[in-house]
Amino acid sequence: GENVEQHPSTLSVQEGDSAVIKCTYSDSASNYFPWYKQELGKRPQLIIDIRSNVGEKKDQRIAVTLNKTAKHFSLHITETQPEDSAVYFCAASPGGGADGLTFGKGTHLIIQP
Amino acid sequence: EAGVAQSPRYKIIEKRQSVAFWCNPISGHATLYWYQQILGQGPKLLIQFQNNGVVDDSQLPKDRFSAERLKGVDSTLKIQPAKLEDSAVYLCASSLETHRATEAFFGQGTRLTVV
Repeated sequence: GENVEQHPSTLSVQEGDSAVIKCTYSDSASNYFPWYKQELGKRPQLIIDIRSNVGEKKDQRIAVTLNKTAKHFSLHITETQPEDSAVYFCAASPGGGADGLTFGKGTHLIIQP
Repeated sequence: EAGVAQSPRYKIIEKRQSVAFWCNPISGHATLYWYQQILGQGPKLLIQFQNNGVVDDSQLPKDRFSAERLKGVDSTLKIQPAKLEDSAVYLCASSLETHRATEAFFGQGTRLTVV
């Protein structure tokens, strides 16, 4: 089955700086890579996703890049703000959608004022 | 639109007892998922339903876990008997379809503590 590794487990950045979270996956059949944000005690929420036919996708301060050859994808957050503090999960799926998602272990992002 | 509803929010039971969780997906969502999220880890898929049929239950510990989705809407997840290692947040999610570009919407989860 699919195995998703996520690094780092904790990331602390100064407000206004950029943050990068990296994930690798093992199954070359995976073709859908979402990122979820989970605030303390709340539900995971999708913030951005990318499909295997695209190398990069941006949405305001958030961007995701995908390297299919190396089987890794990354989340980039620019101009970080206090409300970006949360746990971020990457995931991979071979189904092109929400089915069969395998999640990474999460990155706790801390924005220092 | 209303989100995925789960109950109860919290449950504390002793080991070897039974427990059941309930989920009501977003109206019109054919696909329903149950995930287990152990503290400090990402969600792990336990079972996936398409309408009232099981699509994937390969990671469900079937000796103690069971789930059903009668009438293709609400779903219940049961643990009998519970073990200490079952302590986790149980998340229900739903989506419109499985094979297309579609987002999984999660509920707030049920936090289970087995003592």
